[in-house]
Amino acid sequence: GQNIDQPTEMTATEGAIVQINCTYQTSGFNGLFWYQQHAGEAPTFLSYNVLDGLEEKGRFSSFLSRSKGYSYLLLKELQMKDSASYLCAVILGDYKLSFGAGTTVTVRA
Amino acid sequence: IAGITQAPTSQILAAGRRMTLRCTQDMRHNAMYWYRQDLGLGLRLIHYSNTAGTTGKGEVPDGYSVSRANTDDFPLTLASAVPSQTSVYFCASSEGLDTDTQYFGPGTRLTVL
Repeated sequence: GQNIDQPTEMTATEGAIVQINCTYQTSGFNGLFWYQQHAGEAPTFLSYNVLDGLEEKGRFSSFLSRSKGYSYLLLKELQMKDSASYLCAVILGDYKLSFGAGTTVTVRA
Repeated sequence: IAGITQAPTSQILAAGRRMTLRCTQDMRHNAMYWYRQDLGLGLRLIHYSNTAGTTGKGEVPDGYSVSRANTDDFPLTLASAVPSQTSVYFCASSEGLDTDTQYFGPGTRLTVL
Protein backbone atom coordinates (compact mmCIF):
# COMPACT_ATOMS: atom_id res chain seq x y z
CA GLY A 1 0.00 0.00 0.00
CA GLN A 2 0.87 3.65 -0.02
CA ASN A 3 2.58 5.31 2.91
CA ILE A 4 1.65 8.93 3.54
CA ASP A 5 2.43 10.24 7.01
CA GLN A 6 1.36 13.44 8.71
CA PRO A 7 0.98 14.33 12.38
CA THR A 8 -2.38 13.53 13.92
CA GLU A 9 -2.89 16.78 15.81
CA MET A 10 -1.36 20.23 16.23
CA THR A 11 -2.34 23.15 18.42
CA ALA A 12 -1.34 26.78 17.94
CA THR A 13 -2.28 30.24 19.09
CA GLU A 14 -4.24 32.78 17.07
CA GLY A 15 -1.83 34.92 15.04
CA ALA A 16 0.95 32.33 15.12
CA ILE A 17 2.45 30.16 12.36
CA VAL A 18 1.99 26.42 12.06
CA GLN A 19 3.80 24.01 9.72
CA ILE A 20 2.19 20.68 8.88
CA ASN A 21 4.61 18.12 7.50
CA CYS A 22 3.77 15.29 5.12
CA THR A 23 6.13 12.52 4.08
CA TYR A 24 5.30 9.95 1.45
CA GLN A 25 6.53 6.68 -0.02
CA THR A 26 4.26 5.85 -2.92
CA SER A 27 4.10 3.93 -6.17
CA GLY A 28 4.78 6.79 -8.53
CA PHE A 29 4.34 10.51 -8.04
CA ASN A 30 2.49 12.98 -10.22
CA GLY A 31 1.92 15.78 -7.76
CA LEU A 32 0.68 16.55 -4.28
CA PHE A 33 -2.45 18.28 -3.03
CA TRP A 34 -3.34 19.85 0.27
CA TYR A 35 -7.01 19.98 1.23
CA GLN A 36 -8.74 21.64 4.17
CA GLN A 37 -11.67 19.94 5.86
CA HIS A 38 -13.78 21.56 8.57
CA ALA A 39 -15.58 19.20 10.93
CA GLY A 40 -18.65 17.70 9.28
CA GLU A 41 -17.90 19.25 5.90
CA ALA A 42 -16.35 18.27 2.59
CA PRO A 43 -12.64 18.66 1.84
CA THR A 44 -11.82 21.81 -0.12
CA PHE A 45 -8.77 22.44 -2.29
CA LEU A 46 -5.91 24.49 -0.85
CA SER A 47 -2.83 23.89 -2.98
CA TYR A 48 -1.14 21.76 -5.61
CA ASN A 49 2.60 21.13 -6.02
CA VAL A 50 4.23 19.13 -8.77
CA LEU A 51 7.66 20.80 -8.95
CA ASP A 52 10.11 21.32 -6.10
CA GLY A 53 9.82 24.57 -4.23
CA LEU A 54 7.40 26.83 -2.48
CA GLU A 55 3.95 27.84 -3.69
CA GLU A 56 2.50 30.81 -1.86
CA LYS A 57 -1.17 31.70 -1.77
CA GLY A 58 -2.07 34.39 0.73
CA ARG A 59 -1.64 33.15 4.29
CA PHE A 60 -1.07 29.58 3.11
CA SER A 61 2.09 28.23 1.47
CA SER A 62 3.00 24.72 0.40
CA PHE A 63 6.46 23.29 -0.19
CA LEU A 64 7.56 20.17 -2.02
CA SER A 65 10.82 18.22 -2.19
CA ARG A 66 10.40 15.25 -4.52
CA SER A 67 13.85 13.82 -3.78
CA LYS A 68 13.02 13.68 -0.07
CA GLY A 69 9.40 12.60 -0.47
CA TYR A 70 8.41 15.55 1.67
CA SER A 71 5.94 18.40 1.67
CA TYR A 72 4.73 20.92 4.20
CA LEU A 73 1.80 23.27 4.48
CA LEU A 74 2.53 26.56 6.22
CA LEU A 75 -0.33 28.50 7.78
CA LYS A 76 0.56 32.05 8.76
CA GLU A 77 -1.31 34.60 10.88
CA LEU A 78 -3.57 31.88 12.20
CA GLN A 79 -7.23 32.67 12.63
CA MET A 80 -9.86 30.78 14.60
CA LYS A 81 -11.51 29.74 11.33
CA ASP A 82 -8.33 27.85 10.41
CA SER A 83 -9.23 25.20 12.98
CA ALA A 84 -9.78 22.20 10.71
CA SER A 85 -8.22 19.02 9.41
CA TYR A 86 -5.57 19.35 6.71
CA LEU A 87 -5.22 16.46 4.29
CA CYS A 88 -2.10 15.66 2.31
CA ALA A 89 -2.85 13.70 -0.90
CA VAL A 90 -0.39 12.27 -3.42
CA ILE A 91 -1.24 11.70 -7.08
CA LEU A 92 0.04 8.20 -7.74
CA GLY A 93 1.59 6.76 -10.89
CA ASP A 94 -1.87 5.70 -12.11
CA TYR A 95 -3.21 9.20 -11.41
CA LYS A 96 -5.38 8.16 -8.51
CA LEU A 97 -5.22 10.15 -5.27
CA SER A 98 -3.93 8.59 -2.08
CA PHE A 99 -4.68 10.52 1.11
CA GLY A 100 -2.91 10.76 4.42
CA ALA A 101 -5.03 10.40 7.54
CA GLY A 102 -5.08 14.17 8.06
CA THR A 103 -3.79 16.60 10.67
CA THR A 104 -6.29 18.27 13.00
CA VAL A 105 -5.21 21.82 13.76
CA THR A 106 -6.75 23.58 16.74
CA VAL A 107 -6.30 27.34 16.98
CA ARG A 108 -6.61 28.78 20.48
CA ALA A 109 -7.32 32.39 21.38
CA ILE B 1 -27.52 23.73 -8.42
CA ALA B 2 -23.82 24.36 -8.60
CA GLY B 3 -21.12 21.81 -7.86
CA ILE B 4 -21.77 18.36 -6.46
CA THR B 5 -24.77 17.17 -4.51
CA GLN B 6 -25.18 13.93 -2.58
CA ALA B 7 -28.24 12.24 -1.18
CA PRO B 8 -29.19 11.29 1.40
CA THR B 9 -27.35 13.45 3.92
CA SER B 10 -27.45 10.64 6.43
CA GLN B 11 -28.99 7.20 6.70
CA ILE B 12 -29.34 4.44 9.25
CA LEU B 13 -29.60 1.05 7.60
CA ALA B 14 -30.18 -2.49 8.83
CA ALA B 15 -27.49 -5.01 7.91
CA GLY B 16 -28.34 -6.99 4.80
CA ARG B 17 -30.34 -4.19 3.19
CA ARG B 18 -29.55 -2.73 -0.20
CA MET B 19 -28.74 0.98 -0.37
CA THR B 20 -27.86 3.41 -3.15
CA LEU B 21 -26.06 6.65 -2.45
CA ARG B 22 -26.67 9.29 -5.07
CA CYS B 23 -24.21 11.78 -6.50
CA THR B 24 -24.85 14.44 -9.14
CA GLN B 25 -22.52 17.10 -10.53
CA ASP B 26 -23.33 19.95 -12.87
CA MET B 27 -19.79 20.98 -13.81
CA ARG B 28 -19.63 18.63 -16.81
CA HIS B 29 -16.58 16.99 -15.28
CA ASN B 30 -15.41 13.82 -16.97
CA ALA B 31 -14.09 12.02 -13.90
CA MET B 32 -15.99 11.08 -10.76
CA TYR B 33 -14.99 9.25 -7.60
CA TRP B 34 -16.38 7.66 -4.47
CA TYR B 35 -14.41 7.74 -1.21
CA ARG B 36 -15.11 6.59 2.30
CA GLN B 37 -13.67 8.43 5.28
CA ASP B 38 -13.05 6.64 8.55
CA LEU B 39 -11.46 8.06 11.69
CA GLY B 40 -7.70 7.60 11.63
CA LEU B 41 -7.65 6.18 8.11
CA GLY B 42 -8.29 9.19 5.93
CA LEU B 43 -10.11 9.11 2.62
CA ARG B 44 -9.95 5.83 0.71
CA LEU B 45 -11.00 5.43 -2.91
CA ILE B 46 -13.82 2.93 -3.50
CA HIS B 47 -14.55 3.27 -7.23
CA TYR B 48 -13.96 5.82 -9.92
CA SER B 49 -15.05 6.67 -13.44
CA ASN B 50 -12.93 8.59 -15.91
CA THR B 51 -15.79 9.13 -18.36
CA ALA B 52 -19.42 8.19 -18.87
CA GLY B 53 -19.77 4.49 -19.56
CA THR B 54 -16.55 3.41 -17.81
CA THR B 55 -15.76 2.58 -14.20
CA GLY B 56 -12.78 1.27 -12.27
CA LYS B 57 -11.95 -0.17 -8.86
CA GLY B 58 -10.17 1.82 -6.21
CA GLU B 59 -8.45 0.75 -3.03
CA VAL B 60 -11.51 -0.68 -1.20
CA PRO B 61 -14.10 -1.80 -3.79
CA ASP B 62 -15.45 -4.96 -2.15
CA GLY B 63 -19.15 -4.80 -1.28
CA TYR B 64 -19.76 -1.76 -3.49
CA SER B 65 -20.77 -1.24 -7.11
CA VAL B 66 -21.12 1.85 -9.30
CA SER B 67 -22.51 2.81 -12.67
CA ARG B 68 -21.96 5.83 -14.90
CA ALA B 69 -24.81 6.02 -17.38
CA ASN B 70 -24.25 9.72 -18.08
CA THR B 71 -21.79 12.51 -17.28
CA ASP B 72 -23.67 13.97 -14.32
CA ASP B 73 -24.63 10.99 -12.14
CA PHE B 74 -22.49 8.44 -10.33
CA PRO B 75 -24.51 6.31 -7.87
CA LEU B 76 -22.85 4.00 -5.37
CA THR B 77 -24.70 0.83 -4.39
CA LEU B 78 -24.23 -1.40 -1.36
CA ALA B 79 -25.87 -4.67 -2.39
CA SER B 80 -26.07 -6.11 1.13
CA ALA B 81 -24.86 -3.69 3.78
CA VAL B 82 -22.60 -4.81 6.63
CA PRO B 83 -21.66 -2.90 9.82
CA SER B 84 -18.08 -2.37 8.56
CA GLN B 85 -19.55 -0.16 5.85
CA THR B 86 -20.53 2.40 8.48
CA SER B 87 -18.66 5.48 7.33
CA VAL B 88 -18.91 8.91 5.76
CA TYR B 89 -19.05 8.66 1.98
CA PHE B 90 -17.82 11.47 -0.25
CA CYS B 91 -18.37 11.80 -3.96
CA ALA B 92 -15.91 13.92 -5.94
CA SER B 93 -15.37 15.01 -9.51
CA SER B 94 -12.58 16.47 -11.64
CA GLU B 95 -12.23 17.59 -15.22
CA GLY B 96 -9.97 14.68 -16.03
CA LEU B 97 -8.47 11.62 -14.38
CA ASP B 98 -5.01 13.07 -14.03
CA THR B 99 -3.66 15.97 -12.03
CA ASP B 100 -6.86 18.00 -12.04
CA THR B 101 -8.22 19.21 -8.73
CA GLN B 102 -10.98 17.08 -7.26
CA TYR B 103 -14.10 18.80 -5.93
CA PHE B 104 -16.01 17.07 -3.17
CA GLY B 105 -19.68 16.76 -2.39
CA PRO B 106 -21.03 17.36 1.14
CA GLY B 107 -20.95 13.68 2.09
CA THR B 108 -23.38 11.01 3.24
CA ARG B 109 -23.12 9.66 6.77
CA LEU B 110 -24.14 6.00 6.70
CA THR B 111 -24.68 3.84 9.76
CA VAL B 112 -25.23 0.10 9.30
CA LEU B 113 -26.64 -1.68 12.32
